[in-house]
Amino acid sequence: AQTVTQSQPEMSVQEAETVTLSCTYDTSESNYYLFWYKQPPSRQMILVIRQEAYKQQNATENRFSVNFQKAAKSFSLKISDSQLGDTAMYFCAFMSFQGGSEKLVFGKGMKLTVNP
Amino acid sequence: DAGVIQSPRHEVTEMGQEVTLRCKPISGHDYLFWYRQTMMRGLELLIYFNNNVPIDDSGMPEDRFSAKMPNASFSTLKIQPSEPRDSAVYFCASRSRAGLNQPQHFGDGTRLSIL
Repeated sequence: AQTVTQSQPEMSVQEAETVTLSCTYDTSESNYYLFWYKQPPSRQMILVIRQEAYKQQNATENRFSVNFQKAAKSFSLKISDSQLGDTAMYFCAFMSFQGGSEKLVFGKGMKLTVNP
Repeated sequence: DAGVIQSPRHEVTEMGQEVTLRCKPISGHDYLFWYRQTMMRGLELLIYFNNNVPIDDSGMPEDRFSAKMPNASFSTLKIQPSEPRDSAVYFCASRSRAGLNQPQHFGDGTRLSIL
């Protein structure tokens, strides 16, 4: 079974600084997809960024970028120029398709606080 | 475009009562997912549908839980009878058929409290 591990339960950063959130996963699949979701206090789950495992180039979305290390099964999220609105829970997620069924598996999440 | 719409946003009821959660997916999305989020277990997939047909219900915890999708624009998750341990936030999500790299879009969730 696939597992996703976010080892840091909580982090804080000063506004305008850069912060990196770590995520590792375990799978025997060769083709899969990775996502980072953000959950602010409003409870909504918002997609931050996604990465296809077959792509070597790391995904980037404005201030958000990933460091995808397939061999190490690592998928970290870097937030540059942190803003107060980045304060939220961040979830790393893994998706693959097996036996006619797809499954999106989430990590336990990490609470990020951006301080003014 | 409207996102995934869930109702109610909050539900408080006594144990033993029937609870029905509702979801309207994004128009044109063929896949619909139900998740449960708790502090202890995080986000767990309960069941998902493709073209209104249940594909994987292995995450449904017990027979007290049931889900239906009578048409492409509506799904329900029902708990009968409800128990205090069912208290959680329940999310509905939908996804386009275009490919697995298409992200799931989540609703705002229903916070369920069983007293």
